[in-house]
Amino acid sequence: QKEVEQDPGPLSVPEGAIVSLNCTYSNSAFQYFMWYRQYSRKGPELLMYTYSSGNKEDGRFTAQVDKSSKYISLFIRDSQPSDSATYLCAIPFQGGKLIFGQGTELSVKP
Amino acid sequence: GAVVSQHPSRVICKSGTSVKIECRSLDFQATTMFWYRQFPKQSLMLMATSNEGSKATYEQGVEKDKFLINHASLTLSTLTVTSAHPEDSSFYICSAHPGQGRTDTQYFGPGTRLTVL
Repeated sequence: QKEVEQDPGPLSVPEGAIVSLNCTYSNSAFQYFMWYRQYSRKGPELLMYTYSSGNKEDGRFTAQVDKSSKYISLFIRDSQPSDSATYLCAIPFQGGKLIFGQGTELSVKP
Repeated sequence: GAVVSQHPSRVICKSGTSVKIECRSLDFQATTMFWYRQFPKQSLMLMATSNEGSKATYEQGVEKDKFLINHASLTLSTLTVTSAHPEDSSFYICSAHPGQGRTDTQYFGPGTRLTVL
């Protein structure tokens, strides 16, 4: 079993839709969780960073962590074509390393 | 915000040649830099961790003699792909950690696309 699993998609939604992106992880010792956005042929950029269970909101983005289920989610409200990108969940572990999920490719159609 | 640059952004080379990729932290000092490789439609796979002034630590399955990493200063790390072959064609991304604050804070470069003919 991979340490972090993420449905690669692709996911296509109409503009204005609510998008739900999800990852599961296997190690209950993981405490911090991140979501990165990667545009085509670019490096990833940090979107959200969460520590505890519950929700964290930043504009149209909400990150949710359920440690009991080892499940993390990223919700995008009022999705825009500019949100079209690959979204990667990431979990830090020893020495500052990051374990990335496979990434979900999102396309928001006008 | 913290900015990391990579050079070149794209390189095409013949099989058997060596290619050097630079990663620079422009507005902060990076005690640790990470090198990742990303194949199309796949996630980032960590290749190695480099700390300024010491030898890089390679992940399992990554050939250290093929992927030479040098972190000679707090703002520059280089990855040299030696005797490149077509299977080395990939998107190489570096990230840098400032050395202060959260140990898991990394700032990513824009990536270098390597194509080996």
